[in-house]
Amino acid sequence: DAGVIQSPRHEVTEMGQEVTLRCKLISGHNSLFWYRQTMMRGLELLIYFNNNVPIDDSGMPEDRFSAKMPNASFSTLKIQPSEPRDSAVYFCASSSGTGNGETQYFGPGTRLLVL
Amino acid sequence: EDKVVQSPLSLVVHEGDTVTLNCSYEVTNFRSLLWYKQEKKAPTFLFMLTSSGIEKKSGRLSSILDKKELFSILNITATQTGDSAVYLCAVDNNNDMRFGAGTRLTVKP
Repeated sequence: DAGVIQSPRHEVTEMGQEVTLRCKLISGHNSLFWYRQTMMRGLELLIYFNNNVPIDDSGMPEDRFSAKMPNASFSTLKIQPSEPRDSAVYFCASSSGTGNGETQYFGPGTRLLVL
Repeated sequence: EDKVVQSPLSLVVHEGDTVTLNCSYEVTNFRSLLWYKQEKKAPTFLFMLTSSGIEKKSGRLSSILDKKELFSILNITATQTGDSAVYLCAVDNNNDMRFGAGTRLTVKP
């Protein structure tokens, strides 16, 4: 298995532009997590899905952020409009189960820089 | 391709035991190695290691990095049931961060 796949790996954009981050889960996994890593705040959970349904989005910073799972193996995290303070590494992780305590497998991350 | 390998993948011990979790890595442009504890959903940060041979300690947990042999260990002494979790190791290579698959630790009463 190729593991969790994220794209793009790097994104540099201008403030105000829309950014879409993509994640492909490990085959057979049914829980999906989006995280943001910054120096100031460390690793923050933004949202997680179980069986394509968003279970907890309390970590989503504001309305500019949205996440979807159009199918069981794929998710997008969209930022519109982007701001410089959104610059971070965004990780996607997947697991098999309810999303509560199972081992999560992390993708390599997308490094976002908003200028 | 950069990689991070943790061992063992799972471990079952009894309260009071001491455990050692291993993390070996192959990355270019190493910047730091991080340990996390994942109990429910989001991992919580434990340690960040950047220099070889300097032990970081927090209560019963300690960790050390060997940049020559490319590995780190996480020690937990006098384990308690509350230490049961998945322990994740991640390496920052200045470009991205690679996570290992984790070690699932179960501490039985």
